[in-house]
Order: sequence, then C-alpha cells, then structure tokens
Amino acid sequence: GENVEQHPSTLSVQEGDSAVIKCTYSDSASNYFPWYKQELGKGPQLIIDIRSNVGEKKDQRIAVTLNKTAKHFSLHITETQPEDSAVYFCAASGLFSGGYNKLIFGAGTRLAVHP
Amino acid sequence: GAGVSQSPSNKVTEKGKDVELRCDPISGHTALYWYRQSLGQGLEFLIYFQGNSAPDKSGLPSDRFSAERTGGSVSTLTIQRTQQEDSAVYLCASSPRGASNTEAFFGQGTRLTVV
Repeated sequence: GENVEQHPSTLSVQEGDSAVIKCTYSDSASNYFPWYKQELGKGPQLIIDIRSNVGEKKDQRIAVTLNKTAKHFSLHITETQPEDSAVYFCAASGLFSGGYNKLIFGAGTRLAVHP
Repeated sequence: GAGVSQSPSNKVTEKGKDVELRCDPISGHTALYWYRQSLGQGLEFLIYFQGNSAPDKSGLPSDRFSAERTGGSVSTLTIQRTQQEDSAVYLCASSPRGASNTEAFFGQGTRLTVV
C-alpha cells in the first residue's frame, strides 16, 4: 500500500523567512496530493492541493511542487507570519478499485514562526 | 450543518468500558472517513464509508473497533473493552463523493482518554 514520508518533523523559522516541507510517496498510482494545516485543538484544514497532471501550483504565499518521476512533493511558504505556526500534513491518494480516494498522511511537521 | 460535527469533543473512560463516538458529516456528502491521531503522530486511516456501506475497513486496529453509518449520514465508531493504547484523537472527515479525488473536510475530533 501507499506510504508517505514527511520531513522535517519540526521546523523553526524567523518571521518573513521561507519554510519548505518535503514529502515522498511510494505508490506511483497516487495522483492527488493535498496539504493540510492543523491548529491546536482543531481538525486539519486543506490549504492547497495538487493533482498529478501539473507540476506546480501557487496560492498567494503558498506553493506546492510535484515531481512524479522522483515521487516527491513539497510545500513552500514564503514571507512566513506567526499565524502560520501549526502542524502541516501532506497526504497522497489514488483511486482505489471501489472508486474512492483514501488519503494516506505523512507524520506531520510542526512549524514555529518566531516574531 | 456548516461543517463536520463530532461528539463528544472529549471523552474520558475507564479501561474495559465501551465508548461510542459520533460523526455528523456535511449534508449531502456521500463519502465518510474515520482517522485516528495519536499524540504527536500523523493521521492513521481506520475506515471508509460510501453511503451506508463500508468498502474499506482495512485500518480498524482490532475486532474491538467497529463502525456503522445509517441513512447515508451519521456515523458512529464504537470501541469495545477500551485499552489505554486506544487513547487518541479520533477524526472524522467527509467529502462530496468518493471518486475523482475531492477535498476531505475534517471535524474537530473526539479526544479519547482511557484511564
């Protein structure tokens, strides 16, 4: 089955710096790669996603890149702000025989942005 | 409702007791997922529902865990004879349909503590 590795487990940056989180996946059939942000005491919230037919997607300060050959994808946050502090999860999924997408998550990255 | 609702938000139970966790998905969402998040860990897939049927139960850790969904809406996750290792946050997510890789919306979770 699918396995998703995520690095680093913790990341500390100064406000205004960039943050990069990297994930690798094992199943070449995976074709959907969302990123979720989880704040303390809350459920994960989707912040950006990418499908396998594109290599990069950007939404304001957040961008995601995908390298299907190498089976890795990354989250880039520019001009970080203290409110970006949270746990970030990558995930991968593909269509299963039942016609559904089962998201397999990485272990998470705890990002701390210091003023 | 406006989002995925889970109850209770917190549950403390004695080892050996049974517990029931409830999930109200977003109205009209046919796909429903249960995940478990242990302290500082990623999200572990438990079970997936499409309508009332559960085509994928592969993540349930043992036969003490079961889940059902009635009327294509509310789902309950039942843990019998709870053990301390069952302590975790149990997250429910729903999505508009199972296929074509759409966003999964998460609830806030139920924090289960077995003492």
